[in-house]
Amino acid sequence: ETGVTQSPTHLIKTRGQQVTLRCSSQSGHNTVSWYQQALGQGPQFIFQYYREEENGRGNFPPRFSGLQFPNYSSELNVNALELDDSALYLCASSGGLLGTDTQYFGPGTRLTVL
Amino acid sequence: AQTVTQSQPEMSVQEAETVTLSCTYDTSESDYYLFWYKQPPSRQMILVIRQEAYKQQNATENRFSVNFQKAAKSFSLKISDSQLGDAAMYFCAYRRRTYKYIFGTGTRLKVLA
Repeated sequence: ETGVTQSPTHLIKTRGQQVTLRCSSQSGHNTVSWYQQALGQGPQFIFQYYREEENGRGNFPPRFSGLQFPNYSSELNVNALELDDSALYLCASSGGLLGTDTQYFGPGTRLTVL
Repeated sequence: AQTVTQSQPEMSVQEAETVTLSCTYDTSESDYYLFWYKQPPSRQMILVIRQEAYKQQNATENRFSVNFQKAAKSFSLKISDSQLGDAAMYFCAYRRRTYKYIFGTGTRLKVLA
């Protein structure tokens, strides 16, 4: 069984740029959630996708957007990057045999905004 | 709104000893799930243990067990026979039946040889 993978591992951008982060869900999972983890903090929920539809959103502005594809992989897009967007971005998938209540995380993408 | 509080920013334990990490949460829901995740320096979050709120029996996974006190809204993690590989950030998380996880701020566990 393949785990959750994310790309790229690290990314450096400048203020005002746009970025796309990618996530491949674990085999058999149909739900993907994205989290932002600032240094020294717990992950903060950005949004969740279930079968290609947004299924819930946290307190993040509209410049954070996402997609889920028919194979249940997902993208997180951030427009007009700000310095405070520097963080570890985690993707988590769920929906396998244990149901939708346990999420399995990928290794994360470290985004630095200069 | 639901909140999760981890009041211990850092804990230390001697190898082979037992340590307990604290977590409290606030919710008006009756049906929810609680989790402990481990995040080593390599940063991938790993599920340690989970507890369904409707189950009175405390969850156990090998050396890891929880003390779930629903009325007190407390969910502590006990690590027995601590090993060097247990050193990591530990996050307590709450989840309603569907929808998002809410994480605490984490407890950094140091294991001393």
